[in-house]
Amino acid sequence: AQSVAQPEDQVNVAEGNPLTVKCTYSVSGNPYLFWYVQYPNRGLQFLLKYITGDNLVKGSYGFEAEFNKSQTSFHLKKPSALVSDSALYFCAFREASGTYKYIFGTGTRLKVLA
Amino acid sequence: TAGITQAPTSQILAAGRSMTLRCTQDMRHNAMYWYRQDLGLGLRLIHYSNTAGTTGKGEVPDGYSVSRANTDDFPLTLASAVPSQTSVYFCASSDPGLAGEAVTQYFGPGTRLTVL
Repeated sequence: AQSVAQPEDQVNVAEGNPLTVKCTYSVSGNPYLFWYVQYPNRGLQFLLKYITGDNLVKGSYGFEAEFNKSQTSFHLKKPSALVSDSALYFCAFREASGTYKYIFGTGTRLKVLA
Repeated sequence: TAGITQAPTSQILAAGRSMTLRCTQDMRHNAMYWYRQDLGLGLRLIHYSNTAGTTGKGEVPDGYSVSRANTDDFPLTLASAVPSQTSVYFCASSDPGLAGEAVTQYFGPGTRLTVL
């Protein structure tokens, strides 16, 4: 079955340090991959998406993600973390079978420590 | 622009009672979705609708029903609530795009439901 996996339940990073939130995928064909962020008591917000082309995708709030086909990964990165980046992050992909369904990972909680 | 609104914000419901969670979008998106979010399980799709008049089952449809009478509204009904339906429910919408196209989903603020 097609899926995305987020191997870390929580990531802690000091403010100002680079951050990485990991995502690996198991998707047939060309994967359309997304990152969403959820702040406390809020709905999910779109951060960025990979379609085709450049493997480094730039998104909102200074985030970027690197698509690596050989490692089937789509890790979310930011050069310098802010305390306000603390949130729950979800990786997702969209099925290419015509059902329009999205499959989400289980989420990774990012804590940026001052 | 309001985007997607959901009501109620939160609700405590007795087991066996019925309830309808409301979702309205003002973006004229054709596709709409209902997810539940549970700790450690992420978001799981309950039902979806690609366009008004059509609906489909997601990953966890049992105990839930939906209707899509028009483009803007996509209510989710629990006919007889059970404690395992305690969760946070999110409605989302998107342009359907072509099959597998990387269209973005937009989410509502969620409804926190507790079934006792």
